[in-house]
Amino acid sequence: NAGVTQTPKFQVLKTGQSMTLQCAQDMNHNSMYWYRQDPGMGLRLIYYSASEGTTDKGEVPNGYNVSRLNKREFSLRLESAAPSQTSVYFCASTGGANYGYTFGSGTRLTVV
Amino acid sequence: KNEVEQSPQNLTAQEGEFITINCSYSVGISALHWLQQHPGGGIVSLFMLSSGKKKHGRLIATINIQEKHSSLHITASHPRDSAVYICAVPSGGSNYKLTFGKGTLLTVNP
Repeated sequence: NAGVTQTPKFQVLKTGQSMTLQCAQDMNHNSMYWYRQDPGMGLRLIYYSASEGTTDKGEVPNGYNVSRLNKREFSLRLESAAPSQTSVYFCASTGGANYGYTFGSGTRLTVV
Repeated sequence: KNEVEQSPQNLTAQEGEFITINCSYSVGISALHWLQQHPGGGIVSLFMLSSGKKKHGRLIATINIQEKHSSLHITASHPRDSAVYICAVPSGGSNYKLTFGKGTLLTVNP
């Protein structure tokens, strides 16, 4: 099925560990996004890639890095996880400003 | 940055009732998005609209660009409509980024 595939679905890390969240879309979308969702905060943008070859910071980029590997894939890396990064992470993509967004199923990350 | 306010924050209804969720934003936009998130679930795009009204099944979304206001209506509500409904608009100055409301938690009781 066409859509956004996000892995893993669940992850528990110890403080200081690193990990990479993977995201791939098969809709030929130009723009891809990483959000985090925390209770009472709504979705907040971490990083985005408007098109292949570009990445930009969102509202809450500290502690994260991203790579737009190709048009399909956009990964999010936590180099040294902190408890404040405990959250649900969503990847999303869109064909552009006049198109809807498609979201991945989310990654529930706990940092202990 | 575009500020987005949703109301109410929480809404409880009986099956069959007509539901209205409101969204206001501060900066003029090209389009507004309504999203649905079931408890513990993923996020699904319901509507993207730039003017007037759109309808999909029992869901209707309207927007008034001049008033900077949108509403999401659910007719003949059903327990499966229980979810968080989120409004999102382009962030001021960028069509590449969205600003999200905090969501409205709808519970429909049988």
